[in-house]
Amino acid sequence: QKEVEQNSGPLSVPEGAIASLNCTYSDRGSQSFFWYRQYSGKSPELIMSIYSNGDKEDGRFTAQLNKASQYVSLLIRDSQPSDSATYLCAVSSGWGKLQFGAGTQVVVTP
Amino acid sequence: EAGVAQSPRYKIIEKRQSVAFWCNPISGHATLYWYQQILGQGPKLLIQFQNNGVVDDSQLPKDRFSAERLKGVDSTLKIQPAKLEDSAVYLCASSSVVIAGGPSYEQYFGPGTRLTVT
Repeated sequence: QKEVEQNSGPLSVPEGAIASLNCTYSDRGSQSFFWYRQYSGKSPELIMSIYSNGDKEDGRFTAQLNKASQYVSLLIRDSQPSDSATYLCAVSSGWGKLQFGAGTQVVVTP
Repeated sequence: EAGVAQSPRYKIIEKRQSVAFWCNPISGHATLYWYQQILGQGPKLLIQFQNNGVVDDSQLPKDRFSAERLKGVDSTLKIQPAKLEDSAVYLCASSSVVIAGGPSYEQYFGPGTRLTVT
């Protein structure tokens, strides 16, 4: 069974600090990696995609991928109360099918 | 650009009844997905269509769930008969066409249908 693992949290982060979220996956053939944000009662919203090793930055978000270690992470800089949500890591081995982790709940405290 | 549309947004039924959900993907997206998300878990893929063909339905409980995408655009997901454990949010997503062996394109989700089976 291919697995995607995340710490469930909650991850408590002071406002203005950096939130660091981690995700590991078991399928070495995985090619595509995504981070989704999900507010309570809402559907997942795509915030980052990454396909090759290294860092990818988009605004306050940075995704990091290390295929050798089967590890992908998300950094949220200058965390805001509006960043309080569950962050889902999703991994695909091709053909589009996404395997999701259970998500990490982030709580940004003023 | 309009997003993925789903209806209804909420549905409450009794066990053993039937229910159907509808999805309209983003215009031009050839690939459509149905996911089931149980509270506290990540979404789980039920079925994937590319145009009107099924790419993956390995996790669809075929004794009670069915789905179709007749004209390669809209899709319906049906449950008959429903069980208590089917209570979940049913999410539809779409993406550009996928290629075997190639990277997966970004998927965009609709608002979901929250199903409660009593």
